[in-house]
Amino acid sequence: EAQVTQNPRYLITVTGKKLTVTCSQNMNHEYMSWYRQDPGLGLRQIYYSMNVEVTDKGDVPEGYKVSRKEKRNFPLILESPSPNQTSLYFCASSRKYTGELFFGEGSRLTVL
Amino acid sequence: KQEVTQIPAALSVPEGENLVLNCSFTDSAIYNLQWFRQDPGKGLTSLLLIQSSQREQTSGRLNASLDKSSGRSTLYIAASQPGDSATYLCAVRTPGAGSYQLTFGKGTKLSVIP
Repeated sequence: EAQVTQNPRYLITVTGKKLTVTCSQNMNHEYMSWYRQDPGLGLRQIYYSMNVEVTDKGDVPEGYKVSRKEKRNFPLILESPSPNQTSLYFCASSRKYTGELFFGEGSRLTVL
Repeated sequence: KQEVTQIPAALSVPEGENLVLNCSFTDSAIYNLQWFRQDPGKGLTSLLLIQSSQREQTSGRLNASLDKSSGRSTLYIAASQPGDSATYLCAVRTPGAGSYQLTFGKGTKLSVIP
């Protein structure tokens, strides 16, 4: 089954404790991206990747890091999480940059 | 900067009714537009993707239209069912300086009453 898989789905952590949210797609898509969704603000792009080893900042990259060492994986790293990073995070992929986007189920992160 | 608006924010209709959801955007020079549905606590499911050269796309009971000149897209849902209850979002991809910015609307929450 074609899908985008995120882990963990739910996470509660404390300020400053590094964490990684993994994202994997099995559709051989070139383009992958991360979004956060907050009430009243909608979906905002954090980072995106056009292909392996090619990443770029979205609208709200501060406090996040990404890497794209393999085509299928695009992890989101929070080096020192803060409470304002409490949010619902989504990973998405598409065959090409401008193509139809497919989303993961989301990862709800709470930073205390 | 592209802005995408979806009005109304919430809509409640009786089962069986045909309905239209609206999406408007400020910059008409778009590359494509995509409609999604989002169930509570879930990810976004792609419904329809319309390229800028197309006027409409259909999938089952769903029909999406695009009028670039007026900066509008509509999602028509025929014979609504309780299972259609979800939040519907539109996203517009706009070419920029060496990139294609994707901008989401904030969605319309649809409730279909049995």
